[in-house]
Amino acid sequence: AQKVTQAQTEISVVEKEDVTLDCVYETRDTTYYLFWYKQPPSGELVFLIRRNSFDEQNEISGRYSWNFQKSTSSFNFTITASQVVDSAVYFCALSETQTGANNLFFGTGTRLTVIP
Amino acid sequence: DAGVIQSPRHEVTEMGQEVTLRCKPISGHDYLFWYRQTMMRGLELLIYFNNNVPIDDSGMPEDRFSAKMPNASFSTLKIQPSEPRDSAVYFCASSPINTGEETQYFGPGTRLLVL
Repeated sequence: AQKVTQAQTEISVVEKEDVTLDCVYETRDTTYYLFWYKQPPSGELVFLIRRNSFDEQNEISGRYSWNFQKSTSSFNFTITASQVVDSAVYFCALSETQTGANNLFFGTGTRLTVIP
Repeated sequence: DAGVIQSPRHEVTEMGQEVTLRCKPISGHDYLFWYRQTMMRGLELLIYFNNNVPIDDSGMPEDRFSAKMPNASFSTLKIQPSEPRDSAVYFCASSPINTGEETQYFGPGTRLLVL
């Protein structure tokens, strides 16, 4: 069973628009971690955020914000006032303590294109 | 601080040749991971080490793949013999000991093309 689902394969927005990337996860563990990574066209994987299962507070970092809702098993990522440099593939990932330390299950990614 | 270092960044080889990918984790990190990324399968974990010991290699596709970590600052992923279907981007990642800091930091990847 897929543990992380990113239903949006590709999204295109015009610069300065807001965009939300969806992530739905599945786990039986009570302690787990959720992550977002960015993969720009250059190919590297850049860590953006980590959230543990006990911390449902939303987080904001500049134009980025994350909405974690355990009730719907979702960890959505919003970019406000998008810029061309935000164009990348974004991956949501899950780590469960029951599967041993640090095993990361990645979603299939959402390709975001920001049009100038 | 230096991040995870991988070499080579690009590798082109012919089918049947041996390929060795190298990784230097972030100093002080006790976990090291090898991933493969393809269009068809996305990002998949191949193997990971804890304190230089392989913990889970269930993701290694075949006996043609092997990984070693002779010391805390170096790991290799070897493919012998290579096949065209091994063409992918191979990432190495490292993370600290499990003190609650679970983040994996990735290297830039090695783009492998097997002709």
